[in-house]
Amino acid sequence: DAGVTQSPTHLIKTRGQQVTLRCSPKSGHDTVSWYQQALGQGPQFIFQYYEEEERQRGNFPDRFSGHQFPNYSSELNVNALLLGDSALYLCASSLYWTSGRTVETQYFGPGTRLLVL
Amino acid sequence: AQTVTQSQPEMSVQEAETVTLSCTYDTSESDYYLFWYKQPPSRQMILVIRQEAYKQQNATENRFSVNFQKAAKSFSLKISDSQLGDAAMYFCAYKETSGSRLTFGEGTQLTVNP
Repeated sequence: DAGVTQSPTHLIKTRGQQVTLRCSPKSGHDTVSWYQQALGQGPQFIFQYYEEEERQRGNFPDRFSGHQFPNYSSELNVNALLLGDSALYLCASSLYWTSGRTVETQYFGPGTRLLVL
Repeated sequence: AQTVTQSQPEMSVQEAETVTLSCTYDTSESDYYLFWYKQPPSRQMILVIRQEAYKQQNATENRFSVNFQKAAKSFSLKISDSQLGDAAMYFCAYKETSGSRLTFGEGTQLTVNP
């Protein structure tokens, strides 16, 4: 049973550039959430995608955008990179409806470490 | 907005002994989920245990158990018979039943001494 996968594992960009991170959910899952984890802090919710739509968004600027494909995989795009965007980006997958309740447990991928110089 | 507080930035325990990690949260909701995740140096976030607020019984998973005090908004994690592989950063997280986001605490770094 394949778990959540993310690519690339590491990435180095310079300020002002754009970056795309990719995530494939765990087999059987239909929902992908993205989190940003700065060094020494807990993850912060960026947004969640279900049925190819953004369902909920955290407190992140419009420079952060995403997409979900029909096969449930997802991309996170960050434009006009800032030094402060350097972080570990985590993708989590889940099943949107379980026993009539909304998203329960989210399972995380290994993350993409982004360094902005 | 919901907040999650982990008041212990660092904890240590001797191998084979028991340790308890603390977590408090703030919410006006009556139904929600609480989680403990473990993040070892590999950085992969691994689910340890989950508690549903409407359930009175404390969740257990092998050597891991929680003490869920709903009125006090407290959710502590007890690790019994600690093993070297338990060394990691532990995060407490909260999720509303109607929402999508996980709200994490700042984490507790657990060291296991041989």
